[in-house]
Amino acid sequence: AQSVSQHNHHVILSEAASLELGCNYSYGGTVNLFWYVQYPGQHLQLLLKYFSGDPLVKGIKGFEAEFIKSKFSFNLRKPSVQWSDTAEYFCAVISYSSASKIIFGSGTRLSIRP
Amino acid sequence: DTGVSQDPRHKITKRGQNVTFRCDPISEHNRLYWYRQTLGQGPEFLTYFQNEAQLEKSRLLSDRFSAERPKGSFSTLEIQRTEQGDSAMYLCASSLDGGAVGNTIYFGEGSWLTVV
Repeated sequence: AQSVSQHNHHVILSEAASLELGCNYSYGGTVNLFWYVQYPGQHLQLLLKYFSGDPLVKGIKGFEAEFIKSKFSFNLRKPSVQWSDTAEYFCAVISYSSASKIIFGSGTRLSIRP
Repeated sequence: DTGVSQDPRHKITKRGQNVTFRCDPISEHNRLYWYRQTLGQGPEFLTYFQNEAQLEKSRLLSDRFSAERPKGSFSTLEIQRTEQGDSAMYLCASSLDGGAVGNTIYFGEGSWLTVV
């Protein structure tokens, strides 16, 4: 079955630590990839997206993600996290074969210790 | 503010009652999506519209659920004979055409449903 897997359910870091959140998908063919963030009490917001071209994508607030097609992965990174990065992070995929909808992973809760 | 508005933001209802949620997408967006999100899970696709046409429905959308987008603008999601398992946040999203062609899908703040 087509799916999106986020391996870390809850990550706890101290401020200034580096972050990497894993995301793998099981779709074949061409995909578009996204990371969304949901701050406490707020709506889902787009962090970054990959459609084509450079597999290293830069997003808002210093986040970046790298698409590695051979590994079916799209990991999110940030070199130095801040307390304000505390949120839930969702990886998501649209496959060209099911272009109608975006499929989400189960999310990773990120807690930053001040 | 994403521009996608949902109403009500919170709804508490007794089991067996009907509830209706409304979504107003960003004005020029022709695609509208409904998702459901429960605690600790990512949003799950329910259905989507291209203008007023409902083009796909998830198997999650039982016969008790119905969605409409009568004039291709706002949409409603109705749940009949609510059950405790329907307790979730119902998210609406919109985009210009599809996300697969490079357009961003914007989400609303969601409507929380609690069935008691």
